[in-house]
Amino acid sequence: GQNIDQPTEMTATEGAIVQINCTYQTSGFNGLFWYQQHAGEAPTFLSYNVLDGLEEKGRFSSFLSRSKGYSYLLLKELQMKDSASYLCAPMDSNYQLIWGAGTKLIIKP
Amino acid sequence: GAVVSQHPSWVICKSGTSVKIECRSLDFQATTMFWYRQFPKQSLMLMATSNEGSKATYEQGVEKDKFLINHASLTLSTLTVTSAHPEDSSFYICSARTDSQWEEQYFGPGTRLTVT
Repeated sequence: GQNIDQPTEMTATEGAIVQINCTYQTSGFNGLFWYQQHAGEAPTFLSYNVLDGLEEKGRFSSFLSRSKGYSYLLLKELQMKDSASYLCAPMDSNYQLIWGAGTKLIIKP
Repeated sequence: GAVVSQHPSWVICKSGTSVKIECRSLDFQATTMFWYRQFPKQSLMLMATSNEGSKATYEQGVEKDKFLINHASLTLSTLTVTSAHPEDSSFYICSARTDSQWEEQYFGPGTRLTVT
């Protein structure tokens, strides 16, 4: 079967760094997306990894290890507006995104 | 660029009536559009995938006669919830993608449906 495993909820302090881990099992693999979703809103794209390694984009970085079925999203210099759910979504052999429940990130002052 | 709109953003309807939700790609041609449903604190659930000019492909467990999808053009897809019931109340989100399968999906803002 196909499944995603992410922590349900994480708490971090404003200005700090947080790493959200994701392990996955899919039928085939065509890359992995990270999306941010604020409560009551639709997801917005953060990053896409298809090769192993780290992709850096401003305060956000995403890492992928295909052999381990593992990815993480690293958020630096946390801001209150970063409080949201973060969705790890690998793409399977049919180019279909597989969605988990996401990680709810709570930022405290 | 890559903006997707949805209309309406929220709707309340009576049980037994039908509701149509529109999804438009405003500045690109969407070869493929996706319809999702999301219940509170749950993951996105893919309902169906539609390609312009062809019938939608529904996920297992989604009734195609109840959730009618039309992808009439490269910029417009519609989802009609027929004979709505309170259990259909949910957050419906569409997304669109160009003809590249590796491209990200661009999400619309979502439509919150409440059936009374």
